[in-house]
Amino acid sequence: ILNVEQSPQSLHVQEGDSTNFTCSFPSSNFYALHWYRWETAKSPEALFVMTLNGDEKKKGRISATLNTKEGYSYLYIKGSQPEDSATYLCAPSHTNAGKSTFGDGTTLTVKP
Amino acid sequence: DVKVTQSSRYLVKRTGEKVFLECVQDMDHENMFWYRQDPGLGLRLIYFSYDVKMKEKGDIPEGYSVSREKKERFSLILESASTNQTSMYLCASRPRTGPYNEQFFGPGTRLTVL
Repeated sequence: ILNVEQSPQSLHVQEGDSTNFTCSFPSSNFYALHWYRWETAKSPEALFVMTLNGDEKKKGRISATLNTKEGYSYLYIKGSQPEDSATYLCAPSHTNAGKSTFGDGTTLTVKP
Repeated sequence: DVKVTQSSRYLVKRTGEKVFLECVQDMDHENMFWYRQDPGLGLRLIYFSYDVKMKEKGDIPEGYSVSREKKERFSLILESASTNQTSMYLCASRPRTGPYNEQFFGPGTRLTVL
């Protein structure tokens, strides 16, 4: 089982704050990394898929970067809003078949 | 929109019962997955299926089996439920095998084994 670490485990911020969290994974045999957002009482939904070293993806106020050489990805949220409250999961794949290992997630709570 | 449905949102069973969790997807996806999620832990893969009648063990298959007789349906079976199988179970599907395609998740089944 791959060692995938996400930090911090939880985060409480005020509305308007910008925040970021980390996903660390083994750098060898890397194929791709997915970020998912999981809101309470809903299903996890994909945010980004990242494949190349130096990749940067953006969706609205949320962006992500990827460093495959050192084995980490950052997720940034600019100007957090209460609707950003969710658990953010990263899932790197280290096989061509795409079997992913999920991190434990970072739970973000944005207070109005 | 891709839709992944699970047979129950909440389920309560007794120790020793045989439990079936059903998952159906409506987008002709090749791959399907079963995960469990426990507090403080991420999604842990129980079993996955690349295609009909094909299955492969995930990271925590003990105590579980699966069935995929039709492309759209993937069933998780707890042969003899135990209290340590109390958990949230999530089903997912993916268009095809490979690391670049996202997974689409169902709403989850929260199973309690008494």
